[in-house]
Amino acid sequence: AQSVTQLGSHVSVSEGALVLLRCNYSSSVPPYLFWYVQYPNQGLQLLLKYTTGATLVKGINGFEAEFKKSETSFHLTKPSAHMSDAAEYFCAVSDNQAGTALIFGKGTTLSVSS
Amino acid sequence: GAGVSQSPSNKVTEKGKDVELRCDPISGHTALYWYRQSLGQGLEFLIYFQGNSAPDKSGLPSDRFSAERTGGSVSTLTIQRTQQEDSAVYLCASSLYHSGGLSVGTEAFFGQGTRLTVV
Repeated sequence: AQSVTQLGSHVSVSEGALVLLRCNYSSSVPPYLFWYVQYPNQGLQLLLKYTTGATLVKGINGFEAEFKKSETSFHLTKPSAHMSDAAEYFCAVSDNQAGTALIFGKGTTLSVSS
Repeated sequence: GAGVSQSPSNKVTEKGKDVELRCDPISGHTALYWYRQSLGQGLEFLIYFQGNSAPDKSGLPSDRFSAERTGGSVSTLTIQRTQQEDSAVYLCASSLYHSGGLSVGTEAFFGQGTRLTVV
């Protein structure tokens, strides 16, 4: 069964600083990996995903993530934080076989200060 | 509609009552998921429907929870004899079926959720 661990329930950065949100997964088969974002009082939306091919994937709003099989990681980064990036971020995994659910981590709340 | 629709958006119920939460997935999406979101707990997987296959019920926390999906479309999550610890936001999501490793719309699209408060 798959699982996801997000290190750090809360991350605080200054505006313009690097954002790094950590995600490690466990899966017995090659995974599909996702990052979702939830802005205050809004629903979840997809930020980016890795399925196959290039291990560095780019998403919306300048975010990107790199799939590292050897480290079982899929960390999310953004070179320069913006105030509007303040939100809760969820990492999720499913496997590349049919019929499995998306499993989410507990989420990381990102705060951005001016 | 264009997105996943959930109703009601808010539900307040008395402890011990039964509640039904409804989800209308995106048309054509064969996969449907229910999650529960509580403060500090992230998204807790509840149940997953995929086409005509038997649903994955492994996330249901107790036998008070059940879900149906009629005609491969609309789903209803039922909580019987509600308890205060059931208070949470219940999220529904849908996605296209992904088959044999082919990436066919594997991302899930979420509804706005139903906020359930048990008093």
